[in-house]
Amino acid sequence: DGGITQSPKYLFRKEGQNVTLSCEQNLNHDAMYWYRQDPGQGLRLIYYSQIVNDFQKGDIAEGYSVSREKKESFPLTVTSAQKNPTAFYLCASSMDSRGRQYFGPGTRLTVL
Amino acid sequence: GIQVEQSPPDLILQEGANSTLRCNFSDSVNNLQWFHQNPWGQLINLFYIPSGTKQNGRLSATTVATERYSLLYISSSQTTDSGVYFCAVVNGRGSTLGRLYFGRGTQLTVWP
Repeated sequence: DGGITQSPKYLFRKEGQNVTLSCEQNLNHDAMYWYRQDPGQGLRLIYYSQIVNDFQKGDIAEGYSVSREKKESFPLTVTSAQKNPTAFYLCASSMDSRGRQYFGPGTRLTVL
Repeated sequence: GIQVEQSPPDLILQEGANSTLRCNFSDSVNNLQWFHQNPWGQLINLFYIPSGTKQNGRLSATTVATERYSLLYISSSQTTDSGVYFCAVVNGRGSTLGRLYFGRGTQLTVWP
């Protein structure tokens, strides 16, 4: 949906490298989320943040890290500790923890 | 966490046909959303429907929270309706802070 941008659209990484995926929103939403999608699967939660300077682990946080220094930005770093990082990554935001979530267009990460 | 089951997993229709997609969930919810994922991976918000019935053009949705299910109706289907339809819920119990739990989706293919 409009108002959430993710970059890059496609990303290729060599094994052993860290990469950072960008997520920006101009909806003035407090809550932001990172999900991972594997082929034929639903989405699984990696990390989420309810307010600036605070975030919590989701179901599959191992090998990932995040920061929330600004309300509009929630970057995700995929570290070399993530054993199987090739996937489609989606960022979302909502007004608050109970609100409707809106999704960005996603980033496809491939490890070469 | 809460379990979300969608049926059928795959659905093939001729253009013009009607269809019903089902979402069952294992616990009380305070948020339920239906999404359509297009061929480019974008998740499109269809409905935010924790209870009751809503309609939007050829699509409508009903959630019966007390019986823990939701239905998505697609009437007079078109080829552009093809894609994966996801149901996602926020658990109404505990401190899960707005995180969405996704089903595995229904893959819809509409033939001309």
